[in-house]
Amino acid sequence: QSALTQPASVSGSPGQSITISCTGTTSDVGGYNYVSWYQHHPGKAPKLMIYEVSNRPSGVSNRFSGSKSGSTASLTISGLQAEDEADYYCSSYTSSSTLVFGGGTKLTVL
Amino acid sequence: EVQMLESGGGLVQPGGSLRLSCAASGFTFSTYAMNWVRQAPGKGLEWVSSITSSGGSTFYADSVKGRFTISRDNSKNTLYLQMDSLRAEDTAVYYCAKPRGSGYYRGIDYWGQGTLVTVSS
Repeated sequence: QSALTQPASVSGSPGQSITISCTGTTSDVGGYNYVSWYQHHPGKAPKLMIYEVSNRPSGVSNRFSGSKSGSTASLTISGLQAEDEADYYCSSYTSSSTLVFGGGTKLTVL
Repeated sequence: EVQMLESGGGLVQPGGSLRLSCAASGFTFSTYAMNWVRQAPGKGLEWVSSITSSGGSTFYADSVKGRFTISRDNSKNTLYLQMDSLRAEDTAVYYCAKPRGSGYYRGIDYWGQGTLVTVSS
């Protein structure tokens, strides 16, 4: 059950687009379309931003989008805003019927 | 309104036990699988355990398998996590987490406020 691999940090200026990658294996990200993305502001509960690779829950801005290619999933945030600054985590279902999270990515809006 | 209220956290010595509870409301608890997720201080999110809606199937992270037991009482709308043989590395905020769909793996759309477990002598 190794954690999915995410970059430790990414940054962008307001209005720009950024992409956060989430790399796993064929036993998790590559094998199932059950990849989710969460936004986490310290001290608050995580918020679901994307489920099942590319679906946005009701109420989540369409500036957030998800995709997957092989064993790497990606979260793209377009039109960066100051409020997007947070930690982002991916997660995936695995062939062992478990869930696994990525190590997290700190997004800084410059 | 969906609400999940965890309780039972606190300070425990290594090797000790704690039982966390999560009282759920605002949704039909008995029709949803449920999860426990934790976050150690300064670390990322870590999935701990899941249970199906009936309680008939349970799943655990390798790091807690054999030491933690997840269970539920659908008549009380309550989720539990029995934690035995606790270690310092179990120190974390523990979140009760509801999936958005019928499967525990379909994305978590509601999280409790979390309860802090500290394992220290």
